[in-house]
Amino acid sequence: AQKVTQAQTEISVVEKEDVTLDCVYETRDTTYYLFWYKQPPSGELVFLIRRNSFDEQNEISGRYSWNFQKSTSSFNFTITASQVVDSAVYFCALSEAQRGRRALTFGSGTRLQVQP
Amino acid sequence: GAVVSQHPSRVICKSGTSVKIECRSLDFQATTMFWYRQFPKQSLMLMATSNEGSKATYEQGVEKDKFLINHASLTLSTLTVTSAHPEDSSFYICSASRSSGANVLTFGAGSRLTVL
Repeated sequence: AQKVTQAQTEISVVEKEDVTLDCVYETRDTTYYLFWYKQPPSGELVFLIRRNSFDEQNEISGRYSWNFQKSTSSFNFTITASQVVDSAVYFCALSEAQRGRRALTFGSGTRLQVQP
Repeated sequence: GAVVSQHPSRVICKSGTSVKIECRSLDFQATTMFWYRQFPKQSLMLMATSNEGSKATYEQGVEKDKFLINHASLTLSTLTVTSAHPEDSSFYICSASRSSGANVLTFGAGSRLTVL
């Protein structure tokens, strides 16, 4: 069965600090997708990134970067020079493409508090 | 493109009444929609997969008679919480998958249900 683990329940940093959110996943499939979403207090899910299992290239988007390590089944997310607006709950998620199960399995989320 | 509208965003009802939540794909056709539930400070848990023109597939532990799902068209799925109780108070989020193409999911903004 697929599983996503976000071991960090809450992280608090001071503005301008870098912060890394960890994500470890389990799946039996060789083809799958990994996602990160941001959920601000308003509740809507904001899509950040999707990565398929064959693309291990790390990605950078502005202050955000992602490190996909298939060997350790990890897909970590780093925010550089954090800002107060980054405060939210961040979810890592997995879907198994091969079995046509496009629903997402979410991790438990990491609540990030960025203090001014 | 790929907008999913969810209505209502907030609803308060009395215990024992039924509440309907709508999920619409505004600019694409969605043969499959997913319903998630999120209790406070918890992760999103998949409740059911809604398939256009057929019965929904429910996850283990989700009562199909209590959470009625109808997906009568390619752009609309509804979730009806029947005989709601305070423990049904939660944040319900739908997501929709395009009929074709890669694994792309778009989420609605969520519906916060409070049962008094």
